[in-house]
Amino acid sequence: AQSVTQPDIHITVSEGASLELRCNYSYGATPYLFWYVQSPGQGLQLLLKYFSGDTLVQGIKGFEAEFKRSQSSFNLRKPSVHWSDAAEYFCAVGGNNNDMRFGAGTRLTVKP
Amino acid sequence: GAGVSQSPSNKVTEKGKDVELRCDPISGHTALYWYRQSLGQGLEFLIYFQGNSAPDKSGLPSDRFSAERTGGSVSTLTIQRTQQEDSAVYLCASSWGQGYQETQYFGPGTRLLVL
Repeated sequence: AQSVTQPDIHITVSEGASLELRCNYSYGATPYLFWYVQSPGQGLQLLLKYFSGDTLVQGIKGFEAEFKRSQSSFNLRKPSVHWSDAAEYFCAVGGNNNDMRFGAGTRLTVKP
Repeated sequence: GAGVSQSPSNKVTEKGKDVELRCDPISGHTALYWYRQSLGQGLEFLIYFQGNSAPDKSGLPSDRFSAERTGGSVSTLTIQRTQQEDSAVYLCASSWGQGYQETQYFGPGTRLLVL
């Protein structure tokens, strides 16, 4: 079965700085990859997803992610972080079943 | 339109009691998922409903957990004889089509605390 690792439990960045959140997956075939954001008191919201095609995926709120098969990674990036980006971010991977596996999450703190 | 709603938002129960958690998906969504989010861990898939098909129960952790979906809409997750390790946030999500390739829309969750 597929699995996801998010190596960073907590990251702190200054407002305006760039951001990269790491995600590594394990799956034998081409995975379906997702990034979700969970803001305090809010439900999870899809930021972006990758199924096939261009390995650089653009999402909402200025986020992007790049699928690198050779590294089994799907890192999330944003050039300039805003205070409102403070939240928990989850990477998820799906295979050929109904079971979508989520990582443990990375909590992002944004310093003024 | 309205998003996915869940009730109650918080539930405190005593060990050994049964609890029912409710999910109202977005109208017209045929797929419905339940997940469990334990402290410091990612979401754990529990069960998946698609239309009138038999649900995929492969993620249910024990036979104390069950779920049903009436009329292809509202779903209830039931936990019998609750244990302290059942304490978690239970999330429901719905989507238009079949499979998680379709964007899932999540509810705010029910926070369950078993004393």
